[in-house]
Amino acid sequence: GAVVSQHPSRVICKSGTSVKIECRSLDFQATTMFWYRQFPKQSLMLMATSNEGSKATYEQGVEKDKFLINHASLTLSTLTVTSAHPEDSSFYICSAPAKDTQYFGPGTRLTVL
Amino acid sequence: AQSVTQLGSHVSVSEGALVLLRCNYSSSVPPYLFWYVQYPNQGLQLLLKYTSAATLVKGINGFEAEFKKSETSFHLTKPSAHMSDAAEYFCAVTERNTGGFKTIFGAGTRLFVKA
Repeated sequence: GAVVSQHPSRVICKSGTSVKIECRSLDFQATTMFWYRQFPKQSLMLMATSNEGSKATYEQGVEKDKFLINHASLTLSTLTVTSAHPEDSSFYICSAPAKDTQYFGPGTRLTVL
Repeated sequence: AQSVTQLGSHVSVSEGALVLLRCNYSSSVPPYLFWYVQYPNQGLQLLLKYTSAATLVKGINGFEAEFKKSETSFHLTKPSAHMSDAAEYFCAVTERNTGGFKTIFGAGTRLFVKA
């Protein structure tokens, strides 16, 4: 099956700093990637759809200036959490579709102190 | 609009017993349906998927699911639970439209397996 990687797997940062999370499709190309946020013991919440070569599409209630998404190539999308605050602490997961199936990265645990 | 309902946030079974995790969906077009498993602090792993072929779908680790259009259900089963099956399970529906495709997840069901 298709493989999606994320980096870093875990990051701890101070409040007010920015954090970049990378999502890569390793063995296939993806013009679209998805970013999810997952709170403890809850389901995945779609944050935004990353589109290669164009602007990301954000879900209602997600701050565009807070969560910057860049889809620079057919295998890489990045999510930057700007001016992070403790309430941004969460598990962030990306996915990329291949043949009508979503393949997920292993997730990034963000902790903002 | 599409939606997914997983009945039971927690399911507990004994090792060797039947596993049944329930999922009902609503969709305005023929859906693609999926079951994913998530272990702690990990991403989601695809267990199986239904994409309008056979209604009984076999997946990895001995799991299978049956698509029942009349009941709008896609329940996940495994004849004999193993301790390693303890995890969170998510049912998901994907619709393809002119804007691309979008996946909606159920709230998840945590499976506990007792020795």
